[in-house]
Amino acid sequence: AQSVAQPEDQVNVAEGNPLTVKCTYSVSGNPYLFWYVQYPNRGLQFLLKYITGDNLVKGSYGFEAEFNKSQTSFHLKKPSALVSDSALYFCAVRDMSQTYSGGGADGLTFGKGTHLIIQP
Amino acid sequence: KAGVTQTPRYLIKTRGQQVTLSCSPISGHRSVSWYQQTPGQGLQFLFEYFSETQRNKGNFPGRFSGRQFSNSRSEMNVSTLELGDSALYLCASRLAGEYNEQFFGPGTRLTVL
Repeated sequence: AQSVAQPEDQVNVAEGNPLTVKCTYSVSGNPYLFWYVQYPNRGLQFLLKYITGDNLVKGSYGFEAEFNKSQTSFHLKKPSALVSDSALYFCAVRDMSQTYSGGGADGLTFGKGTHLIIQP
Repeated sequence: KAGVTQTPRYLIKTRGQQVTLSCSPISGHRSVSWYQQTPGQGLQFLFEYFSETQRNKGNFPGRFSGRQFSNSRSEMNVSTLELGDSALYLCASRLAGEYNEQFFGPGTRLTVL
């Protein structure tokens, strides 16, 4: 079984400061990892993903994430926070061993989400 | 390119009724997945369809069902609605291939009274 933990329900950061939203995962095989953001009354928007390769992944809106296999973590980071970054952030994992031939894949397992609040 | 669209956006039903939600994926996307989002349980995977076939199913009762049409549009149906079915139902589509991310629609907000 695969699982994701986002240990913080809420993260508060002052505008202009660096931000980190934490995520740890558990899979039996190798992971595909994703970060999504959700604004109020909206669906989820894709930020970035890790499949293989460099441990530092760059994504949309200046966000990046660092994959750490030994710590089974995939923390989301941004060097300088904006008020407009305030939203609900989800980490998600898919176990690579749970893929199917023909292009289909297992459903993503999402973390509970972390509310990011950027204070002016 | 148009994004994932879901209809209706808001729905109010009473217990015992049934409901059908619709999702139109991004053009060219053959995989459609459905998720239920609630404050208590978070995002939970319902099922995934690919080329009209159900590929995966989450841990939901048989009252929850879905289908996909030849044009990749998908519907999900919930029969005998319960109060606990009140949620935001999200549809996501993606290109074939295991590395591709999902693109989500705005969701349908279902309220069961």
